[in-house]
Amino acid sequence: GNSVTQMEGPVTLSEEAFLTINCTYTATGYPSLFWYVQYPGEGLQLLLKATKADDKGSNKGFEATYRKETTSFHLEKGSVQVSDSAVYFCALSDQAAGNKLTFGGGTRVLVKP
Amino acid sequence: SAVISQKPSRDICQRGTSLTIQCQVDSQVTMMFWYRQQPGQSLTLIATANQGSEATYESGFVIDKFPISRPNLTFSTLTVSNMSPEDSSIYLCSGTGVDGYTFGSGTRLTVV
Repeated sequence: GNSVTQMEGPVTLSEEAFLTINCTYTATGYPSLFWYVQYPGEGLQLLLKATKADDKGSNKGFEATYRKETTSFHLEKGSVQVSDSAVYFCALSDQAAGNKLTFGGGTRVLVKP
Repeated sequence: SAVISQKPSRDICQRGTSLTIQCQVDSQVTMMFWYRQQPGQSLTLIATANQGSEATYESGFVIDKFPISRPNLTFSTLTVSNMSPEDSSIYLCSGTGVDGYTFGSGTRLTVV
């Protein structure tokens, strides 16, 4: 079956530091890949997505590139802000699995001023 | 993209009772899903809500405990039946359409 593995948190950073959250996946078909963000007390928001190999998703300074050869979709941001403190979820959807989203375990990020 | 209104946003319920959660989408979505997020955990898919027919449940979830309805393309309900403290979680609905997946804001359920 499909699965998503992401690095465990919490990740604690200082403002303006570089952030990387690793995400790897296993899928039977050709999945689309997503990063979602959950701010404290809120629901999930789509951060970025990529639908095929070598696609780069980007939004709000965050980037992730769909790497089929390494089955990875690592999230990066060059200079984090305190407002980026949240839980980040990597996810995939696979048409072969009924388009259901499969989530990673989530990574809590805390950015300190 | 579609906007999903989910209610209630939170509730505290007595064990043995049931709670029905509603999701209303402002536009038609192809598929709707229900997830559970236990405290500090990731999201686990409960079921796919099928329009006009019985929901498709994931392993470990059954219709008697989590009955789901989806009478049309923009509305779905999830009932958490005969609740116990172990059902305390956040429940989220999701819809997918041309713009991708959208989530409701979640229902934070506490069973006492």
